[in-house]
Amino acid sequence: AQSVTQLGSHVSVSEGALVLLRCNYSSSVPPYLFWYVQYPNQGLQLLLKYTTGATLVKGINGFEAEFKKSETSFHLTKPSAHMSDAAEYFCAVSDRGKLIFGQGTELSVKP
Amino acid sequence: KAGVTQTPRYLIKTRGQQVTLSCSPISGHRSVSWYQQTPGQGLQFLFEYFSETQRNKGNFPGRFSGRQFSNSRSEMNVSTLELGDSALYLCASSVQEVGYGYTFGSGTRLTVV
Repeated sequence: AQSVTQLGSHVSVSEGALVLLRCNYSSSVPPYLFWYVQYPNQGLQLLLKYTTGATLVKGINGFEAEFKKSETSFHLTKPSAHMSDAAEYFCAVSDRGKLIFGQGTELSVKP
Repeated sequence: KAGVTQTPRYLIKTRGQQVTLSCSPISGHRSVSWYQQTPGQGLQFLFEYFSETQRNKGNFPGRFSGRQFSNSRSEMNVSTLELGDSALYLCASSVQEVGYGYTFGSGTRLTVV
């Protein structure tokens, strides 16, 4: 069965610093991978997705992620954090028509 | 283009009651999925409907059921509510397959007292 592991339930960065949120997956077939963001009392918003093709995927709000098959990783990065990036981030892998989510990483941004 | 609409946003029910949650997908989206989000278990898949047929089901008891109508709108029903059913229930829709990426609604916050 597919699974997703997000390293670090909480990450804190300073405004302007690099954001790196880690995600490792296990999949027996070529995966579809996703990053979602959730703001308080809101649903999930799709940041970016990898299906096929280019392994470096650019998303909304300046985020990007790189699919590394050899490392089974799909880490999310943003060069410069903004206060508005504070939220919870979820990595997910597709599994026969459903999404399997990691436990989430809460990102805090300090002024 | 309207997003995924879930109603109601908040709901308080008593143990033993039943509840129905509603989801209107994005126009043209034929796949609708439901997820339960709790602090302890995280995001868990409930079921997926495509063209009125349940295509996939998660590991939830039979008290959780759903259906999809011909206009792709979906409802989820939970009978004999338990305290542990308190959660944020999220609906997501997609054009056809998961590879397109699901668009989520804002959710229904269910509190069972």
